Amino acid sequence: QVVLTQSPSASASLGASVKLTCNLSSGHNNYAIAWHQQHPEKGPRFLMKLNSDGSHKKGDGIPDRFSGSSSGAERYLTISSLQSEDEADYYCQTWGTGIHVFGGGTKLTVL
Amino acid sequence: EVQLLESGGDLVQPGGSLRLSCAASGFTFSSHAMTWVRQAPGKGLEWVSTIASSGAATYYADSVKGRLTISRDNSKNTLYLQLNNLRAEDTAVYYCAKDRSPYCVSDCYPDYWGQGTLVAVSS
Repeated sequence: QVVLTQSPSASASLGASVKLTCNLSSGHNNYAIAWHQQHPEKGPRFLMKLNSDGSHKKGDGIPDRFSGSSSGAERYLTISSLQSEDEADYYCQTWGTGIHVFGGGTKLTVL
Repeated sequence: EVQLLESGGDLVQPGGSLRLSCAASGFTFSSHAMTWVRQAPGKGLEWVSTIASSGAATYYADSVKGRLTISRDNSKNTLYLQLNNLRAEDTAVYYCAKDRSPYCVSDCYPDYWGQGTLVAVSS
């Protein structure tokens, strides 16, 4: 079964850019993923679906500052022009028939 | 506007039962698979169960198989999760989510989430 690996934490300065990584386990390089954002004590929010070729489709109302890219087994979420409200947990997620698989999440701190 | 409103969370004793509900609006409920995801205190997201748009297919995480039952009533735009034989490790906020596709074969990801309902299992 596919496993998603994320760094537990990341940080970047207000106004800067940050690139979060989600690593797919061996043999699953062609999998698409989804990125979700979660603020403390809130329900998650879908950000985008990201394909293995780097093409992505964002959810409703997601700002242009959020973008996705792919390289091999890695899937990236880039947030540019960081704002204080971007401080949140970010989860990648993929799927098999009937199942969802989540990464452990990355806690992003905006300095 | 898509809205998902969970209810039914409570404090329950080990071995007890509970039924969660998720009232959906703002989209064609019968055209989308629906999913429950939970989050234990201080932990990450854990997929629990998914049901296809028609209700004909259901899927469960190994950790809950045999104890939790997902169902839906498309006439009432409502998703359910029956939790039986509850354990302390079932303590979590349970989120209802709308999946992008009807059948969780391709594009099997949530594109809208609810705010969650808390289930606490303790004596």
